[in-house]
Parts: sequence; C-alpha cells; structure tokens
Amino acid sequence: DSGVTQTPKHLITATGQRVTLRCSPRSGDLSVYWYQQSLDQGLQFLIQYYNGEERAKGNILERFSAQQFPDLHSELNLSSLELGDSALYFCASSSSAGSGNQPQHFGDGTRLSIL
Amino acid sequence: DQQVKQNSPSLSVQEGRISILNCDYTNSMFDYFLWYKKYPAEGPTFLISISSIKDKNEDGRFTVFLNKSAKHLSLHIVPSQPGDSAVYFCAASFVNDYKLSFGAGTTVTVRA
Repeated sequence: DSGVTQTPKHLITATGQRVTLRCSPRSGDLSVYWYQQSLDQGLQFLIQYYNGEERAKGNILERFSAQQFPDLHSELNLSSLELGDSALYFCASSSSAGSGNQPQHFGDGTRLSIL
Repeated sequence: DQQVKQNSPSLSVQEGRISILNCDYTNSMFDYFLWYKKYPAEGPTFLISISSIKDKNEDGRFTVFLNKSAKHLSLHIVPSQPGDSAVYFCAASFVNDYKLSFGAGTTVTVRA
C-alpha cells in the first residue's frame, strides 16, 4: 500500500462529458503529480502541484485542469471528453518539490473509459 | 518526443535465471534514472535508482547499470522469481525537476 488513494477506480462516461478524478497523497507529502497512461504506452506526465501551487506542466490538454486543495488532496478535471481520453490516470506524491532522486509514490489509478 | 525508450515489450525467463531489461534515452542531461515495477490493477512501485554520476547500483537481487556514453541502462534481476512477473518501467528525471519521463514498459514473465 503506497498510501496514495485515488477515486474512483473505474469511470465510464460518454463523449462530451466532464469528469473529476480525486487523489489523496501520502501523509506528509506536499507534491502531487498526475500522469496519463494510454494503451501500451508509458506514463505521460500531465501536471505537478506543490503545497497548493502549480509547479510544473507537461503535455496536458487545455480541456484538462487540476488543483490542489489546502488539505493537499488534488483533483484532475477532464472536460469535453473524447474517445482518445480513455486511459489510466495515475496520481503520485512525494515529500519535496523537486529532487529527482526521491521516488514518487503512486496510487492504483483511475481507469477512464469513454464510450 | 519519447526521451526514454524500452524497445523490448516483453521478456520471458525461467525461474532462477537472470532477467535483463534494457532502456535507452536520448537526453544526456538526465540526472537520475529509476526503475518502477507494476502489477496489474496496481500503481507503479519504486524499485531502484541510479545517479548519472555512477555506473552501477545494487540492491539485493536488483542491479542497475548505466552506460552514459551509449545512453543506455539495464536492470538485472538475479535470480528471477515468480513474484518478479510484472511490468517494469524505466524512468528518468532531472535534479531540480521532479517529473518523470517514462519508457513504455517491459512485461516480464518468470516461468516455473
């Protein structure tokens, strides 16, 4: 158990809809990262928050947004969903803002299926 | 642009033998390289890492080798055990930038 909790585990919705994925980081971790894993691909970095502030952005679509709340949990909002958004979405957390040698701790992911 | 590549999507190895997983990268400025292991329906878990200033790091049955001139690293698992059957991801990062660049993963199957 990594200590990172992601809800829901599965989400099925239709094109054009909007969904919210939730992540609770490991106790004491201030950084939250969101990754997308499409079929047979590696994890693609989307966005990082550190202590409530956006820290780094990757290849995140404009239809996607995220935030980190004062209690440090984070939400990833996906809107105007397209078939290609079907993927596994992982949240990870770490204690620091940026030190590449510290491992990130991953949740079990949310599987999003767009019909 | 895929900066980290794992060109072997799968590997099958007999229990007790060595598993060798390979990873290539294109950005010579990466400071750290990490290996993650992932079981089905679970998130990746950290396995082992290596700094770019080193060429080898060992932790129990797991050893990572780094060849900077070739921009290549490998993970050796000796001896391989049935519980090692999983997907292994190679990842890279910079010292002041925590986001990870992942390879596509290699599925390891350990045969009894």
